[in-house]
Amino acid sequence: DAKTTQPPSMDCAEGRAANLPCNHSTISGNEYVYWYRQIHSQGPQYIIHGLKNNETNEMASLIITEDRKSSTLILPHATLRDTAVYYCIVRLAGGGSNYKLTFGKGTLLTVNP
Amino acid sequence: SAVISQKPSRDICQRGTSLTIQCQVDSQVTMMFWYRQQPGQSLTLIATANQGSEATYESGFVIDKFPISRPNLTFSTLTVSNMSPEDSSIYLCSVATSPPYEQYFGPGTRLTVT
Repeated sequence: DAKTTQPPSMDCAEGRAANLPCNHSTISGNEYVYWYRQIHSQGPQYIIHGLKNNETNEMASLIITEDRKSSTLILPHATLRDTAVYYCIVRLAGGGSNYKLTFGKGTLLTVNP
Repeated sequence: SAVISQKPSRDICQRGTSLTIQCQVDSQVTMMFWYRQQPGQSLTLIATANQGSEATYESGFVIDKFPISRPNLTFSTLTVSNMSPEDSSIYLCSVATSPPYEQYFGPGTRLTVT
């Protein structure tokens, strides 16, 4: 699996957009970008994933650059409950061993009042 | 999505004993996984629990230390054997559903070994 690079920490004001970057310069053509988050003392929560097109759901938007070497997770209106460690993960699509998720250190997002 | 429960939620165990952690899912799932999260660290995959066959272990994890069962498509157990303080971690179960195969995680079991 391609490796990812994320800043160790970021701050965001409540109500503002939080933009979390991820670098995955060695990603291959059949690897997806997944984002998870882990709120303190809870299990990780799936947020969103994408291949090459931008994606949006009720939680967030995912912007993937045209060359697919980096992406940005956007929380449009951050709340205090969004304070968590955010993990950017790349993995192959499909089943079998492709299910495996390799977690890096992630970005600790702190939303301030 | 899938709703996952784990038992126990936390435990304090003596060195040299074993603890079995249960993972229950509210629907049939293709794949189940067990992860470990040591204090202040990220998650590390221990093994994939295969229904009807032996689990598939990641490098650094062995069946004698972490035996896993998966008797059906909604349930799995992980045993932490002959525990030492280094086994103090959060143990998490996750499942992968049908396409697009995102994983859903249980709340975790916080284990402290004294």
